[in-house]
Amino acid sequence: AQSVAQPEDQVNVAEGNPLTVKCTYSVSGNPYLFWYVQYPNRGLQFLLKYITGDNLVKGSYGFEAEFNKSQTSFHLKKPSALVSDSALYFCAVRVRQSGGSYIPTFGRGTSLIVHP
Amino acid sequence: NAGVTQTPKFRVLKTGQSMTLLCAQDMNHEYMYWYRQDPGMGLRLIHYSVGEGTTAKGEVPDGYNVSRLKKQNFLLGLESAAPSQTSVYFCASRRGGASTDTQYFGPGTRLTVL
Repeated sequence: AQSVAQPEDQVNVAEGNPLTVKCTYSVSGNPYLFWYVQYPNRGLQFLLKYITGDNLVKGSYGFEAEFNKSQTSFHLKKPSALVSDSALYFCAVRVRQSGGSYIPTFGRGTSLIVHP
Repeated sequence: NAGVTQTPKFRVLKTGQSMTLLCAQDMNHEYMYWYRQDPGMGLRLIHYSVGEGTTAKGEVPDGYNVSRLKKQNFLLGLESAAPSQTSVYFCASRRGGASTDTQYFGPGTRLTVL
């Protein structure tokens, strides 16, 4: 069975400092990995994804993520945090099921708080 | 292009009442999903559909039914609501065909069951 873990419920960072939101996964095949962001009272919005190729993936709003196969991780990063980055972040993994479909599994989410 | 819309935005039910949540997408997507979001639990998949007329169970299907009679609509039904179904419900869709394409989410429906 596939799973994804976000070990931190909350991450606090000062504005202007680099930020990292952690994600690790467990799958039996090649993973397709995604990051989504959720602002208060809104639905999830796509940030970036890793399918294959370059391990460093660049996405929206200056975010990037690094795929590390040996550590089974896909951490989300940003060089300089903004207060407006404060939101709930979800990591998701998608793997082919036995019936041929691809069902995504989401982590529990990490609340990012950027302090002025 | 409205994307994914959900109706209603808020609802309060009494235990035992029934209701239907409507999800509509105007992107001609094949795949549609219903999730529930609870504090500390992330998103859990209730049911999904890979095309018009098809549905399948997700991680937490008990107490819910779904229908996909039209490609653009995916309905989630609660036949006899329970307090444990108090949650925020999100619908999502994706193009399908390729396993790597992105899901698009609706704004959510906040349901309270008293």
